[in-house]
Amino acid sequence: GESVGLHLPTLSVQEGDNSIINCAYSNSASDYFIWYKQESGKGPQFIIDIRSNMDKRQGQRVTVLLNKTVKHLSLQIAATQPGDSAVYFCAEGSGNTGKLIFGQGTTLQVKP
Amino acid sequence: GAVVSQHPSRVICKSGTSVKIECRSLDFQATTMFWYRQFPKQSLMLMATSNEGSKATYEQGVEKDKFLINHASLTLSTLTVTSAHPEDSSFYICSANSGGSGGEQYFGPGTRLTVT
Repeated sequence: GESVGLHLPTLSVQEGDNSIINCAYSNSASDYFIWYKQESGKGPQFIIDIRSNMDKRQGQRVTVLLNKTVKHLSLQIAATQPGDSAVYFCAEGSGNTGKLIFGQGTTLQVKP
Repeated sequence: GAVVSQHPSRVICKSGTSVKIECRSLDFQATTMFWYRQFPKQSLMLMATSNEGSKATYEQGVEKDKFLINHASLTLSTLTVTSAHPEDSSFYICSANSGGSGGEQYFGPGTRLTVT
């Protein structure tokens, strides 16, 4: 079936470095993509989203890139901080149902 | 931003009993809510879509008679795990859609269910 997957289960970076978390998706019909951050024992927290008609979107310290040609999504975090340590999920959705398909998740570990 | 709450945050029950989990949108009306299950170190798996005033739509492989969903008002959806077994132990998360375009979905803090 269709799925959204991530390349690496764990990413370890030094505090202050930039982090890049990748995601591959398979449903070319998806209209939008969302990155979520989940801390241990908590629900997902919205980080940033991007619609399928865009290839880049920037937020505060975060940038999402979308490459529809290779069905690839990435989240870039600038100047990574210890508070960024969490599991990051990409999710895709289509239409107006609101249903989201979540990817595997990447654990980001920030070393002080 | 919009707030979604869940109650209880943690629950321990004995095998064979039923447990009800509430999901509330606190400052907006949600015609649609979603229920997810998440096992340790795994991703969120969508269980069902809860629609206010109508029956829930369950994902393939999810037993509707075991996971009863009721969306009685625009701010409340409940998930009842009936005849719970240890394999039902999981983190249950709800989300609520404010009705806007994609991305306007808000997640609750989750409920940790442990079945002994």
